[in-house]
Amino acid sequence: DIVMTQSPDSLAVSLGERATINCKSSQSVLYSSNNKNYLAWYQQRPGQPPKVLIYWASTRESGVPDRFSGSGSATDFTLTISSLQAEDVAVYYCQQYYNTRPSFGPGTKVEIK
Amino acid sequence: EVQLVESGGGLVQPGGSLRLSCTASGFSFSRYWMHWVRQAPGKGPVWVARINSDGTGTMHADSEMGRFDISRDNAKNTLYLQLNSLRAEDTAVYYCARDPLAAGYFDLWGQGTLVTVSS
Repeated sequence: DIVMTQSPDSLAVSLGERATINCKSSQSVLYSSNNKNYLAWYQQRPGQPPKVLIYWASTRESGVPDRFSGSGSATDFTLTISSLQAEDVAVYYCQQYYNTRPSFGPGTKVEIK
Repeated sequence: EVQLVESGGGLVQPGGSLRLSCTASGFSFSRYWMHWVRQAPGKGPVWVARINSDGTGTMHADSEMGRFDISRDNAKNTLYLQLNSLRAEDTAVYYCARDPLAAGYFDLWGQGTLVTVSS
């Protein structure tokens, strides 16, 4: 099984400032035959199901604001919120789908400073 | 409206069974792989099972040890999860989720149904 870890566990950022969340996988999720990273990012607000923000590590889902961006490859990935808005308060999860049994990271809670 | 609606959760005693349902609307259900994902209170999501578009192929998490079974009825636009031999640690919100590319990530989630296993 692929184990996902995230850092930090939580962070507090001022409105309009940058938030950066890191995700690491226990093995590479880069599929060499198509050069795609099988990594997604989700946002979960309280009382809501997760919502996909990014897939293939850096492709933004339709309708997701462009202040959200994903980067990284193989085992190390980053989700960046370029200018934090009040509605971005949530828990963020990374998820690998390289393995036939997908797995999620433990989550990073983002709050307003 | 494109949506998934789960039902069938509730309070069950340890060792009991439940069948969860997920009804799809607003899209061609039979074209998509579907998954169940659960989330225990205060914890992150955990993948449970997936089924391919015509229902001929399934995969389950190893941790379930044969206790759970995913199935679908495309004529009814409905996904199912049979839960057997339930334990306290199975207490969670169970979500159904759509897999847009048969790749393993999820672009549409239901609101979830809560399963509580307790005596």
